[in-house]
Amino acid sequence: SQQGEEDPQALSIQEGENATMNCSYKTSINNLQWYRQNSGRGLVHLILIRSNEREKHSGRLRVTLDTSKKSSSLLITASRAADTASYFCATAGSGNTPLVFGKGTRLSVIA
Amino acid sequence: NAGVMQNPRHLVRRRGQEARLRCSPMKGHSHVYWYRQLPEEGLKFMVYLQKENIIDESGMPKERFSAEFPKEGPSILRIQQVVRGDSAAYFCASSPRSGSGQETQYFGPGTRLLVL
Repeated sequence: SQQGEEDPQALSIQEGENATMNCSYKTSINNLQWYRQNSGRGLVHLILIRSNEREKHSGRLRVTLDTSKKSSSLLITASRAADTASYFCATAGSGNTPLVFGKGTRLSVIA
Repeated sequence: NAGVMQNPRHLVRRRGQEARLRCSPMKGHSHVYWYRQLPEEGLKFMVYLQKENIIDESGMPKERFSAEFPKEGPSILRIQQVVRGDSAAYFCASSPRSGSGQETQYFGPGTRLLVL
């Protein structure tokens, strides 16, 4: 069964605004990762947050993890048109368990 | 340092034919993962391989699909007797260390398979 579920499914904002995407999951995890996919391309790894971490930053990206609520959020600040893409969360259990991806949030940033 | 390479980028097959998808991992990476993505969907894990070993094939369909990662050369995902439902984008990823979901995975550009 699918683990991560992103919310919203689609998001459209103006350039310069912040974009927030959420991910909920069902079972316990070892880490949660966010990936970006531009149309027709492969996935690019953005950030990995482990289960004992609550917040991580990378440039204009901020990721939070709340294991009690089994949810994570990805915040992109001061969005740019180039941020237009689909964003996926992926969860991993312990050991060699594979990544389980959600269906993604399609972000459109309008210049 | 070249990224993960996949070829072909686009593949058209008629029902009943075979499809062979190739993946060359990043230099120094010995762990390869294959995923399938249907339109408007997330990626679904298929198989995890190390050189000459299948570590986890829990996501592979039981029939017609096989994967290998030989000592020399690229990893191959093989689909025999393709059906229209096999039409999808197939992505390969690699990582330098074992641990599947514990490691950052680096993705290739994908092969888009269309079955007519």
